[in-house]
Amino acid sequence: KAGVTQTPRYLIKTRGQQVTLSCSPISGHRSVSWYQQTPGQGLQFLFEYFSETQRNKGNFPGRFSGRQFSNSRSEMNVSTLELGDSALYLCASSVLAGANGELFFGEGSRLTVL
Amino acid sequence: QKEVEQDPGPLSVPEGAIVSLNCTYSNSAFQYFMWYRQYSRKGPELLMYTYSSGNKEDGRFTAQVDKSSKYISLFIRDSQPSDSATYLCAMSDTNAGKSTFGDGTTLTVKP
Repeated sequence: KAGVTQTPRYLIKTRGQQVTLSCSPISGHRSVSWYQQTPGQGLQFLFEYFSETQRNKGNFPGRFSGRQFSNSRSEMNVSTLELGDSALYLCASSVLAGANGELFFGEGSRLTVL
Repeated sequence: QKEVEQDPGPLSVPEGAIVSLNCTYSNSAFQYFMWYRQYSRKGPELLMYTYSSGNKEDGRFTAQVDKSSKYISLFIRDSQPSDSATYLCAMSDTNAGKSTFGDGTTLTVKP
């Protein structure tokens, strides 16, 4: 069974640009969550999607947005990039919504903002 | 103050040692308690999953949850060099719809 797939794995952008990251969940998983991981803040919750609806959102500015498609694939977008957005962005899928714990993570997209 | 506090480490132990990793939390609504293992340049991998208080054992790994003390632990017996990784505790309650993670403890097991 294929795991969670995230693309691209690495990318470099400059301040002010925007970026779109993609996540394909495990087959049959309808919930997709996004987390930002940095050395200083650890893993921070961005948002969760289930059946194309955003169920929960973390404390991030509106520059961070996402969506989910009918096939459960998800994208997240960051506009007007800032240096502090440099991080590993992790996507996790699960069977159920509501984060009762069993998250399956992808390998992440490492974003560097120059 | 963070909702989840994890012993920062890093930890360095000899092969075969017993390792204890610990987290405390402040949110009494947490019902699900997880430990993830993250190797360098990889995503976190779910290691142990526990609902409410009690112990759970899986091979060399034992997870303990004490809800009265708001304290969870992961024990690794007969540690191996392949256990060298960062260990993240995580907790969630269904209403919040998200998992809250500790900052992680980096473990090195020396041959």
